[in-house]
Amino acid sequence: DGGITQSPKYLFRKEGQNVTLSCEQNLNHDAMYWYRQDPGQGLRLIYYSQIVNDFQKGDIAEGYSVSREKKESFPLTVTSAQKNPTAFYLCASSPAGLGGETQYFGPGTRLLVL
Amino acid sequence: QKEVEQNSGPLSVPEGAIASLNCTYSDRGSQSFFWYRQYSGKSPELIMSIYSNGDKEDGRFTAQLNKASQYVSLLIRDSQPSDSATYLCAVRVYGGSQGNLIFGKGTKLSVKP
Repeated sequence: DGGITQSPKYLFRKEGQNVTLSCEQNLNHDAMYWYRQDPGQGLRLIYYSQIVNDFQKGDIAEGYSVSREKKESFPLTVTSAQKNPTAFYLCASSPAGLGGETQYFGPGTRLLVL
Repeated sequence: QKEVEQNSGPLSVPEGAIASLNCTYSDRGSQSFFWYRQYSGKSPELIMSIYSNGDKEDGRFTAQLNKASQYVSLLIRDSQPSDSATYLCAVRVYGGSQGNLIFGKGTKLSVKP
């Protein structure tokens, strides 16, 4: 089955701790994205990557980091600099970087602070 | 700042009625428009995409686009309780970090049996 997987489903972070959220896709999509969703809010773009070994900051990149070493994988690290990390994190991919292509979402990871 | 606006709702309709969801956007250069459905606690799933002015129908769903008025809507005919969800409007804009989808905050739809 082709699709986007995210793990874990739930993640708990302690104060001062860095945590990494996994996102893998087997759709052979070029572009991948990370969004954050807070209750009652729209999706806000954290980082995106159009090709391997290249990525750009979105609107709320502070306190986050990413890597894109493989086409299939785009992990997101929430660093201790992110003071309000509690949110629903969504990974998406699309078959082309820019243009009219559609983004498809993974199931999401819910991050909670202990 | 490029924006996408939606009425947050909740929009309540009886089963079998037509639900009408509306979205306005600020960037006149936008070319691609998407409607996603998001059930509570789940991730968004694509319902419709539309690129040209006019109507696009897919089953019980019809997307309507009016670029002159910067307006896109989603009609759901014969609404079912299973349609109860939050509907997100998304617009693709171009340039810089905005070269991706901008999402509205969503309209919560409740279909009453």
